[in-house]
Amino acid sequence: GENVEQHPSTLSVQEGDSAVIKCTYSDSASNYFPWYKQELGKGPQLIIDIRSNVGEKKDQRIAVTLNKTAKHFSLHITETQPEDSAVYFCAAGGTYKYIFGTGTRLKVLA
Amino acid sequence: DAGVIQSPRHEVTEMGQEVTLRCKPISGHDYLFWYRQTMMRGLELLIYFNNNVPIDDSGMPEDRFSAKMPNASFSTLKIQPSEPRDSAVYFCASSFVARSTDTQYFGPGTRLTVL
Repeated sequence: GENVEQHPSTLSVQEGDSAVIKCTYSDSASNYFPWYKQELGKGPQLIIDIRSNVGEKKDQRIAVTLNKTAKHFSLHITETQPEDSAVYFCAAGGTYKYIFGTGTRLKVLA
Repeated sequence: DAGVIQSPRHEVTEMGQEVTLRCKPISGHDYLFWYRQTMMRGLELLIYFNNNVPIDDSGMPEDRFSAKMPNASFSTLKIQPSEPRDSAVYFCASSFVARSTDTQYFGPGTRLTVL
């Protein structure tokens, strides 16, 4: 069936360093790739997204890259700050519904 | 914009009891999604609606689960009878696909504990 693999499951970085989270999807029909940040006790919040006709998108310290041929997409966070600590989910979407990755717990150490 | 509203935020019940979770989507959104989140299975899509009509309920785990959307501003997810393995956080999300964007906006979730 359709699935999205996400790595790593946990990631610890020093404040100011970069963090990279990678996802691989299986459904070739997927054409929308959002990333969500979930803080403790809250719902997932969209932080950035990318569509299949774009290879890279950047928003301040956050960037996403997409390789449709390889079915890979990645989240890059630069100059990490303690408030970036959370669980991050990738998703692959198409036909209005998403398949979510299993999540990455990011810890930014001060 | 108030965002997606869910109630209650926390629910503790005993096995066998009926549980009803409620969701108010963002005004004007035409798609509504119910998800369940557990440590073991992550975020699972249970069912989604388009213009109040259920489109795909293949993720609903069993007949004990049912969902309705009587109008564009309200949806319920009901579990009857509840079991301890139903304990999870249930999220509602909505999107406005007609605007050529399918970004889903999530509510704060309902944490369900079945004893």
